[in-house]
Formats: sequence, C-alpha cells, structure tokens
Amino acid sequence: EPEVTQTPSHQVTQMGQEVILRCVPISNHLYFYWYRQILGQKVEFLVSFYNNEISEKSEIFDDQFSVERPDGSNFTLKIRSTKLEDSAMYFCASDERAGTDTQYFGPGTRLTVL
Amino acid sequence: KQEVTQIPAALSVPEGENLVLNCSFTDSAIYNLQWFRQDPGKGLTSLLLIQSSQREQTSGRLNASLDKSSGRSTLYIAASQPGDSATYLCAVRLQGYSTLTFGKGTMLLVSP
Repeated sequence: EPEVTQTPSHQVTQMGQEVILRCVPISNHLYFYWYRQILGQKVEFLVSFYNNEISEKSEIFDDQFSVERPDGSNFTLKIRSTKLEDSAMYFCASDERAGTDTQYFGPGTRLTVL
Repeated sequence: KQEVTQIPAALSVPEGENLVLNCSFTDSAIYNLQWFRQDPGKGLTSLLLIQSSQREQTSGRLNASLDKSSGRSTLYIAASQPGDSATYLCAVRLQGYSTLTFGKGTMLLVSP
C-alpha cells in the first residue's frame, strides 16, 4: 500500500541553524500538508500546498518557515533559524482531493533544537 | 475558531471489553471527520473517515458515528485487545478548508 515517507526520522540541531525536513507524498496525491506536534500537545496545522503554491497557512507558519516542491516527488519544510520552541514532531500528509479524501500521514521527523 | 475536545483523556480497560471514545467539536459546519491511531513516538494511522452527510462508518471492530448538529462523534471499539493500546485522535475538516483540526486524543490501555 502506498505511504508517505519522511526523512530524517530524527534531527538534532543547534539554535539558529537552518533545517530542511523532507517528505515524499503518495504519488498520485495533489494536496500536501505539514503539521507539528509539540510533546504532550495537540497536532497543529502549519501549511497546505497545492499546485505549487501555499493554499492555507496557520499563524505558526511565519517568515521563518518555507515549503517547496523541488521536483515531482519531494515536498520540503525549511526552518530558517531554529528556536528552542521549534522542537517538535513534524508530520507530512497528503491527500488526493482536498476536502473529500482521507489525509495520509507520514511517520514524522522528530526535531530537537539545542 | 474550531475547537475539538476528546473525553476521556485516558482510559484503561481489561481485554475483551467494548468501549466508547468521545469527540466533540464547536463548529458544526464540518466537511468530514477522521479518526486516527497514534502509537508512542510514531505517526498517525487513519482509521475511519466520516463525511458530513454520513451517520456512521465501520471497519472491522471499529465503528465511528457522527452527529453533526450536536457536534459529536464517537468511536466504538468492540472486544478490545492489548494491541489496541494507543492514543486515538479525532480530527475535523471545516467546509471550505483542506486542513484538519485535532483533538488532544484519548490514551487507551488494554490490559491482558
């Protein structure tokens, strides 16, 4: 069964450094998402992406964050200058048709900012 | 702003029991509702999706119901097993939006 994959599974970085989290959505899906989950808290929406542009973003997704689909398979989340409070599990998700279909989630990348 | 609440926060039952997990949401203008399972330190596995026009969905021992007007959904697990131990998350999608709003989850422990 097709699945969303994410790399790396765990990333440790120093405060102020840039990180790029990578995702490969399911191949025939058109809508892509990033969510995050701070330890012990709810899963929170960050951004959605369709047709090579951001379609929705939350107030969390400020100028420090950016997303890109550099080729036909990868979808990336970049954090420009990491802060301690960016430490969280970051999940990528995709679905075939937004609003009607099941969203499929990847296994997540645990980001630790020291 | 949509708020999603799940009760109870934690539940411990002996194997074989039938159980109900509850989810409530404040804005009834939803497009669909999705139940997920999350194992510790892992990703989210989709269990069931209910469209706003549906009343329930079933998959194996799982049955999810939706009462949109009252802003409630329940996940019924029949004949629970130790392998069902996980956190169960409810998430809703509002009409006109593609994103999901999550509850905090119910942590379920099924003991042998």
